[in-house]
Amino acid sequence: DTEVTQTPKHLVMGMTNKKSLKCEQHMGHRAMYWYKQKAKKPPELMFVYSYEKLSINESVPSRFSPECPNSSLLNLHLHALQPEDSALYLCASSQGETSIFYEQYFGPGTRLTVT
Amino acid sequence: AQTVTQSQPEMSVQEAETVTLSCTYDTSESDYYLFWYKQPPSRQMILVIRQEAYKQQNATENRFSVNFQKAAKSFSLKISDSQLGDAAMYFCAYRATGNQFYFGTGTSLTVIP
Repeated sequence: DTEVTQTPKHLVMGMTNKKSLKCEQHMGHRAMYWYKQKAKKPPELMFVYSYEKLSINESVPSRFSPECPNSSLLNLHLHALQPEDSALYLCASSQGETSIFYEQYFGPGTRLTVT
Repeated sequence: AQTVTQSQPEMSVQEAETVTLSCTYDTSESDYYLFWYKQPPSRQMILVIRQEAYKQQNATENRFSVNFQKAAKSFSLKISDSQLGDAAMYFCAYRATGNQFYFGTGTSLTVIP
């Protein structure tokens, strides 16, 4: 199984809502990532979890809150978002940092619209 | 700091022809890996090909091959016999120690029937 799944596929939320994005992989990968991507732009790194601990936080606003409940699951909790946060949110996973040979596997993304 | 540069924001190729996408990178590391990812309009990012820096032999995957010039820090992707399904955004990426991947700005490839 070389799949990363993400739910929901699409999400529309108001600026006062609280919602969560979910990501799951069963490849035994120990690094999991959240990226934000705007149209025709590269993914922008938000967070990296390594062995279920937050290892990189790219100065992301606190209205985005990541969580890694176990080695297969990654959540992104959203609260009080702004319209400029509308984007495609990609989850990815890879072998841990001792295995730099390995690529990232990406999920299909969640298309988020903030109204 | 590691940087990855793709100098061609857009490229086009006639179906069945060959096209080369360029990528350069900057690093002081000696051991690293380079990747080309493809993101079609459906938006799922998939790996096209990867290259280990310590290998002199260029990687190939069917119609996709790379020209890896380590001294010049260049990593171009050649697509032979282009097909309509090759139309996509292509991102060059770099990984060294640690978990972080560095992406270029992307090249949008159009395939003309």
